Amino acid sequence: DAKTTQPTSMDCAEGRAANLPCNHSTISGNEYVYWYRQIHSQGPQYIIHGLKNNETNEMASLIITEDRKSSTLILPHATLRDTAVYYCIVRVIYNQGGKLIFGQGTELSVKP
Amino acid sequence: KAGVTQTPRYLIKTRGQQVTLSCSPISGHRSVSWYQQTPGQGLQFLFEYFSETQRNKGNFPGRFSGRQFSNSRSEMNVSTLELGDSALYLCASSPGGGTTDTQYFGPGTRLTVL
Repeated sequence: DAKTTQPTSMDCAEGRAANLPCNHSTISGNEYVYWYRQIHSQGPQYIIHGLKNNETNEMASLIITEDRKSSTLILPHATLRDTAVYYCIVRVIYNQGGKLIFGQGTELSVKP
Repeated sequence: KAGVTQTPRYLIKTRGQQVTLSCSPISGHRSVSWYQQTPGQGLQFLFEYFSETQRNKGNFPGRFSGRQFSNSRSEMNVSTLELGDSALYLCASSPGGGTTDTQYFGPGTRLTVL
């Protein structure tokens, strides 16, 4: 199963863009990159996912490198409510379904 | 649409007991997955159910089991509880269980084993 590597923690000033990197050098061709975040003791919240093209939605943008070995989640204007643990996940395709393999995530602190 | 709901939200049990946790998926979703989150091991996949059948299973002992009903609601059961089973148990649902389906998580059930 592909694994991901993320920095343990990051700080970001409120109103600035938060760029969260993720390495997934062993990702397979049919595996998707997903991002979730978890605010303390709540269930993980889906943010965005992609296969090889860059993706954008109302929450964030996902930039995936051409070789697909790494990606960056961008929160364009971070707010205090974006303080959370962010998980970069490779979705393993398995038996017609898919399971999410979570790493340790990046603890993002947005500061005033 | 209402989100994924899990009951109960908090539970305290003693070693050796068994426990049943419940998950109601988003309306129309047919796949339900269960995860365990502990400070030491992080978030780990337990199993996935689709159309009342277990389709995928993680590396957990047989004390952990589950089932899914015809209305897609799911339960998981842990027998002979151990202290190490104290965790946040999360369930996630997705529409058809396909390879590109997005999983949406519930708030979790916090289990404490004394």
